[in-house]
Amino acid sequence: DAGVIQSPRHEVTEMGQEVTLRCKPISGHNSLFWYRQTMMRGLELLIYFNNNVPIDDSGMPEDRFSAKMPNASFSTLKIQPSEPRDSAVYFCASRSGGPNNEQFFGPGTRLTVL
Amino acid sequence: SQQGEEDPQALSIQEGENATMNCSYKTSINNLQWYRQNSGRGLVHLILIRSNEREKHSGRLRVTLDTSKKSSSLLITASRAADTASYFCALGGTSGNTPLVFGKGTRLSVIA
Repeated sequence: DAGVIQSPRHEVTEMGQEVTLRCKPISGHNSLFWYRQTMMRGLELLIYFNNNVPIDDSGMPEDRFSAKMPNASFSTLKIQPSEPRDSAVYFCASRSGGPNNEQFFGPGTRLTVL
Repeated sequence: SQQGEEDPQALSIQEGENATMNCSYKTSINNLQWYRQNSGRGLVHLILIRSNEREKHSGRLRVTLDTSKKSSSLLITASRAADTASYFCALGGTSGNTPLVFGKGTRLSVIA
């Protein structure tokens, strides 16, 4: 298995532009998680899905952020409009089963908003 | 849900020495997991210890868990330069299919 796949790996955009981050979880995993990592705040959970259904989006910072999981093999995190303070590394992770199992992380998308 | 807190925030040691990192938490847990993150990469799972376990080994890694003190430690023996990374503890919740909550990590530097 190729592991969790994220694209793009790097994104540089200007303030106000729409940004879409993509994630392909490991086949067979039923949970998917979006995290954001910054030096100031560390690794923050934004939203997670179980069986393609959003369970908890309380970590999404603002209405500018939205996430979808239309099927078991694909998820998107969208920021519209983007702002400089959204600059961070965004990680997607997936897991099979419950909290006794490990989470597998993707390589991350480094987002820079100018 | 609350996150664990790693201590120290940063640790610098010589190659061959042992490195000990600690994690404290406040909630009830099902398990505690340790992850490593190399610079610019995603997190990689190292070891999981369940709440009814007290110690676990994996290669040069030794993890202990004291649920009465709500603390865990990760020991890396005979450290190598390649162990240089950030190490995170993550708390596995007691209910449902909950996500892991991560601390801010310990940044380990192993000097050759």
